[in-house]
Amino acid sequence: EVQLVESGGALVHPGGSLRLSCAASGFTFGSYAMSWVRQAPGKGLEWVSAINDRGAYTYYADSVKGRFTISRDNSKNTLYLQMNSLRAEDTAVYYCTKYNFWNGYQIAAFDHWGQGTLITVSS
Amino acid sequence: DIVMTQSPDSLAVSLGERATINCKSSQSVLSNSNIQNYLAWYQQKPGQPPKLLIYWASTRESGVPDRFSGSGSGTDFTLTISSLQAEDVAVYYCQQYFRTPWTFGQGTKVEIK
Repeated sequence: EVQLVESGGALVHPGGSLRLSCAASGFTFGSYAMSWVRQAPGKGLEWVSAINDRGAYTYYADSVKGRFTISRDNSKNTLYLQMNSLRAEDTAVYYCTKYNFWNGYQIAAFDHWGQGTLITVSS
Repeated sequence: DIVMTQSPDSLAVSLGERATINCKSSQSVLSNSNIQNYLAWYQQKPGQPPKLLIYWASTRESGVPDRFSGSGSGTDFTLTISSLQAEDVAVYYCQQYFRTPWTFGQGTKVEIK
């Protein structure tokens, strides 16, 4: 069974930093691209960042580019999101998501999601 | 960025009746190379993460009941629940994965009338 378990959520002051982790199990982690998606309280879904299976390629939403860094450790089956210069508008539940695999394609239709971890940015 | 716009924002449907949700993209998400529409649908129930229902605009994810169906091409897409069940009360999102940044619609809340 695929499991994605996020951790690292906390209350942080504006300008602060935080690192999220996502522990993956139940699949060959190193064979899949992964992504972070966030959801502000009572709002919709916003894609944040993605990383390919080997960690060589990373992608970011403009809203976090230059402040957030996605990475992975395939030996530990873990995905990370380093978040710096946090702002109030970064307050959200952050979900770790797995890309779908279809006929040789890895597609960003996220077939598994973690339960999420809450980041609150407030003074 | 490709903007995804869903309609309506909410709808109330009687049990056993059809629910239809529309999603429009600001640019085509149909690939010329593989003739696939890079469009997914998700269901999110209160307090839960989203669940993938459909990808490639009309391919049901494994385990998804066949009362859920997706259709459309290019820029206009539809999610249909053929016979609404109580457990289908949720917010539904469309998402394009044609071009980064991957973008979601604003969501459509489905309730029981």
